Amino acid sequence: AQSVAQPEDQVNVAEGNPLTVKCTYSVSGNPYLFWYVQYPNRGLQFLLKYITGDNLVKGSYGFEAEFNKSQTSFHLKKPSALVSDSALYFCAVRDMLGGSYIPTFGRGTSLIVHP
Amino acid sequence: GAGVSQTPSNKVTEKGKYVELRCDPISGHTALYWYRQSLGQGPEFLIYFQGTGAADDSGLPNDRFFAVRPEGSVSTLKIQRTERGDSAVYLCASSLGLAGSQETQYFGPGTRLLVL
Repeated sequence: AQSVAQPEDQVNVAEGNPLTVKCTYSVSGNPYLFWYVQYPNRGLQFLLKYITGDNLVKGSYGFEAEFNKSQTSFHLKKPSALVSDSALYFCAVRDMLGGSYIPTFGRGTSLIVHP
Repeated sequence: GAGVSQTPSNKVTEKGKYVELRCDPISGHTALYWYRQSLGQGPEFLIYFQGTGAADDSGLPNDRFFAVRPEGSVSTLKIQRTERGDSAVYLCASSLGLAGSQETQYFGPGTRLLVL
């Protein structure tokens, strides 16, 4: 079985400060991991993904995420937050083991960047 | 290029009525997914297609829900005898393929369904 947890419902950060949005996962095999962002009344937009290789993944809009196998985490980070980064962020996982092509999404974390 | 489109953007219906929700995926994408998103939740898987066939419909909540993709492109999600609990945003996503670099899903804006 696969699962993902986003332990924070909301993250508040001041503009210009670094931000982190947390994600932990559980899989039986190896994970495919994804981050998506959702703006109000919009669909989800792909930010980045980890499949294999370098543990530090760089994505759109200056975001990056670090895959940590020992801690089963895939936290989303950005060195300097912008007010326009305020949105809902979703982490998703798919277990490479088992043959299913269905990802499981977290409940989402609301990021609020204050001017 | 054009992204995933969904119509209608909003649908209000009465309990017991039948509704159809349409999804136009990105051209050339072979995989198509339907999700349901309730307030404060992440997308919940309903069904996905690889080509014309439903590869996995294990997420459909009951037999009132059905989806088709007859020509391997456009898909329609059909809900019979709607109930108030069906109210949610229905999201469609498509991907080039199912695994590795091809499995990134691109989402449409969703259809907001309200059952009165």
